[in-house]
Amino acid sequence: SQQGEEDPQALSIQEGENATMNCSYKTSINNLQWYRQNSGRGLVHLILIRSNEREKHSGRLRVTLDTSKKSSSLLITASRAADTASYFCATDPGGYNKLIFGAGTRLAVHP
Amino acid sequence: DTGVSQDPRHKITKRGQNVTFRCDPISEHNRLYWYRQTLGQGPEFLTYFQNEAQLEKSRLLSDRFSAERPKGSFSTLEIQRTEQGDSAMYLCASSPDKPLTPDTQYFGPGTRLTVL
Repeated sequence: SQQGEEDPQALSIQEGENATMNCSYKTSINNLQWYRQNSGRGLVHLILIRSNEREKHSGRLRVTLDTSKKSSSLLITASRAADTASYFCATDPGGYNKLIFGAGTRLAVHP
Repeated sequence: DTGVSQDPRHKITKRGQNVTFRCDPISEHNRLYWYRQTLGQGPEFLTYFQNEAQLEKSRLLSDRFSAERPKGSFSTLEIQRTEQGDSAMYLCASSPDKPLTPDTQYFGPGTRLTVL
């Protein structure tokens, strides 16, 4: 079963705009990670935020985590056409780093 | 490049046939994972190896599925008597074993299985 639920399921924006994706999860976690997947390919790790962190930045990416609400958000600023992909949040509930993924947000950035 | 590699990239088979997939992790990574991803969904955990030991198996892994990592390096995932419901992308990932450190899983490109 999938732990995370991303919202929205699909997002379409113009280049230069910001994209915000949300993730909710069900159980307590050690950390939450965001991955990107281009069509038909493997996943690429974007950023990891630990359960005791509230915000983290990496380049044009900003991730927030609210453990009281069991939710996270991923913000991509100044989007580019190359950002077009599916974005997944994944939680590590603890143990062997077994990741539990949500269903993903499909982002389309139009030039 | 020393990333995770998977072979084959695509496999088409007829229902009832057996298939085997291979995963070569990043060389210094002790942990190896298999996931399955169906269209429009996120990956679902199947099984996990720490070196050659298979430490966890998902309930998704029926008796028709078997995974091995005989020398703690590459891994194989075999599906016997394939069914149409087995059609999916099978993803392999690896990660280093660093105590007290949450680690990143590095994914391979996947093997797309189509069962006719």
